[in-house]
Amino acid sequence: AQSVTQLDSHVSVSEGTPVLLRCNYSSSYSPSLFWYVQHPNKGLQLLLKYTSAATLVKGINGFEAEFKKSETSFHLTKPSAHMSDAAEYFCVVSDKGQGGKLIFGQGTELSVKP
Amino acid sequence: DSGVTQTPKHLITATGQRVTLRCSPRSGDLSVYWYQQSLDQGLQFLIQYYNGEERAKGNILERFSAQQFPDLHSELNLSSLELGDSALYFCASSGGGWDRVSYGYTFGSGTRLTVV
Repeated sequence: AQSVTQLDSHVSVSEGTPVLLRCNYSSSYSPSLFWYVQHPNKGLQLLLKYTSAATLVKGINGFEAEFKKSETSFHLTKPSAHMSDAAEYFCVVSDKGQGGKLIFGQGTELSVKP
Repeated sequence: DSGVTQTPKHLITATGQRVTLRCSPRSGDLSVYWYQQSLDQGLQFLIQYYNGEERAKGNILERFSAQQFPDLHSELNLSSLELGDSALYFCASSGGGWDRVSYGYTFGSGTRLTVV
């Protein structure tokens, strides 16, 4: 069965410094992987997705993620953090075995200090 | 506006009561999903409907039920409510086949349910 582990429950960075949010997944076949962002009291917004095309995926707001099959990782990065990036980030894997079900990680809260 | 509409945005009700949450999917999307987000459980998949039929079931309690209507909107019914049912309930929709989510979902803004 698929699963997702977000390695940090909370990450704090200074504005203008790089962001790294780590995610490892477990899947018995080629998965589809996603990162979603949730701002306080808001819904979930798709940042980017990997669907077996290019392993380096570019998303919105300057975020990127690299699919590394050998490491079963899908870490999210951004070169320079902005105050508006402060939010909860979820790494997600699709569950091919059960319809369209998505499996969410526990989330990483990103804080950005001025 | 994501295109997925959930009503109401907030709901406060007493234990033992029954509520109905409503979701209108993005135009053209046939799949509707319901998720529950709570502090202790995170985001939990409840149920999926595709073009009116139930397709996948997750950690949905027997006190909860859902349906998808011919116009593709969906309703999640929660009955005999308990304090622990207080959570944010999200609806999401996707296009394509019922088992294809290679492009992800579009989420609504959620219904915050508070049981007192």
